[in-house]
Amino acid sequence: DVKVTQSSRYLVKRTGEKVFLECVQDMDHENMFWYRQDPGLGLRLIYFSYDVKMKEKGDIPEGYSVSREKKERFSLILESASTNQTSMYLCASSPSGQLYGYTFGSGTRLTVV
Amino acid sequence: AQSVSQHNHHVILSEAASLELGCNYSYGGTVNLFWYVQYPGQHLQLLLKYFSGDPLVKGIKGFEAEFIKSKFSFNLRKPSVQWSDTAEYFCAVNIKGTSYDKVIFGPGTSLSVIP
Repeated sequence: DVKVTQSSRYLVKRTGEKVFLECVQDMDHENMFWYRQDPGLGLRLIYFSYDVKMKEKGDIPEGYSVSREKKERFSLILESASTNQTSMYLCASSPSGQLYGYTFGSGTRLTVV
Repeated sequence: AQSVSQHNHHVILSEAASLELGCNYSYGGTVNLFWYVQYPGQHLQLLLKYFSGDPLVKGIKGFEAEFIKSKFSFNLRKPSVQWSDTAEYFCAVNIKGTSYDKVIFGPGTSLSVIP
């Protein structure tokens, strides 16, 4: 069964900490995405990548950065966590070319205190 | 700006009732359309998708959706819901760009089915 695996299901971090959220997919997908999901707001795109070492800003990139050193791994970095970054973070991947829809990970619920 | 709206934030139905969840998008160009479902405690999964051809598409678990281009709509339907359909439903629109595509999600509709 194909998978997108997010390293942590729940995280609690302190304000100002540097936070790493890891995502690994085993489907050899070219495209990977980071979203945050908040009640009433749906999913908002933070960053995405269409190739190794390539990244593009989404709709809400402020306060975040990403890294994609290998095709299967896409990391989201909160440089200095703040309480307004408390959210559910979802990683997704898809093949290139014709869109097949996304495969999502289970999500990481991050609480910043 | 491109956006996706879903008509209802929360829908409550009894088992066997018919379901229709509204989705509208604001974009005049070429689109691909999706419905995703998130069951309690589970990850988002694809319910159905529209790329081209027959505007009535069928998905998993008896769901279907109809693309009406003139109305910029892609409503999700099911003739008879079950308790197990309790979930959050997200409409999504893929907008074709010059360099890359962009997928915009709606805010979601929470469906509660009462036994």
